[in-house]
Amino acid sequence: ETGVTQTPRHLVMGMTNKKSLKCEQHLGHNAMYWYKQSAKKPLELMFVYSLEERVENNSVPSRFSPECPNSSHLFLHLHTLQPEDSALYLCASSPLAGGRADTQYFGPGTRLTVL
Amino acid sequence: ELKVEQNPLFLSMQEGKNYTIYCNYSTTSDRLYWYRQDPGKSLESLFVLLSNGAVKQEGRLMASLDTKARLSTLHITAAVHDLSATYFCAVGFGGTSYGKLTFGQGTILTVHP
Repeated sequence: ETGVTQTPRHLVMGMTNKKSLKCEQHLGHNAMYWYKQSAKKPLELMFVYSLEERVENNSVPSRFSPECPNSSHLFLHLHTLQPEDSALYLCASSPLAGGRADTQYFGPGTRLTVL
Repeated sequence: ELKVEQNPLFLSMQEGKNYTIYCNYSTTSDRLYWYRQDPGKSLESLFVLLSNGAVKQEGRLMASLDTKARLSTLHITAAVHDLSATYFCAVGFGGTSYGKLTFGQGTILTVHP
């Protein structure tokens, strides 16, 4: 596999379920990101991991819990979600470039539907 | 709070015509990106602009950056159907080594015969 992969590609879950989204990057990057893309809204940055440490958390509700066990993998654990959380969740990665960020490469996304 | 606004949000073009998408942002930034997204697919990087006056071209697309005006443009020359997609600009800020991007709303481009 090359680039950034995400699984599953589609997920339907009830509000009481617990599920996880997985992201893997094969680019040797050291920063990874979770974004939410809702209909009619701009992409929203949710979390950033740099060298496996969480460095950004943009006021995301605690029902979303990220995990970055190593520089190649990123998870988003979901529990007790609401219907308004239905969206496309995109993972991205980028290299760390001495004081100036580089282009982010995106995965295909997970289309999440919360019933 | 950084705001990024694109216009137009919807653009219907005839093949062979030229048009420009505009991206305005509200605070100083040192980098601006353009991405393309096809329906049901992920974002594909098109251009990264890192300095005032930067201009980059790839095929029928040309992007430019005016940091003083806080404006970037994506110019489409002689549009073809394959260019139909949603185009996003994203502005980076914060001086961090990792990316901290704010995206515009996206411009949905449809090119028809």
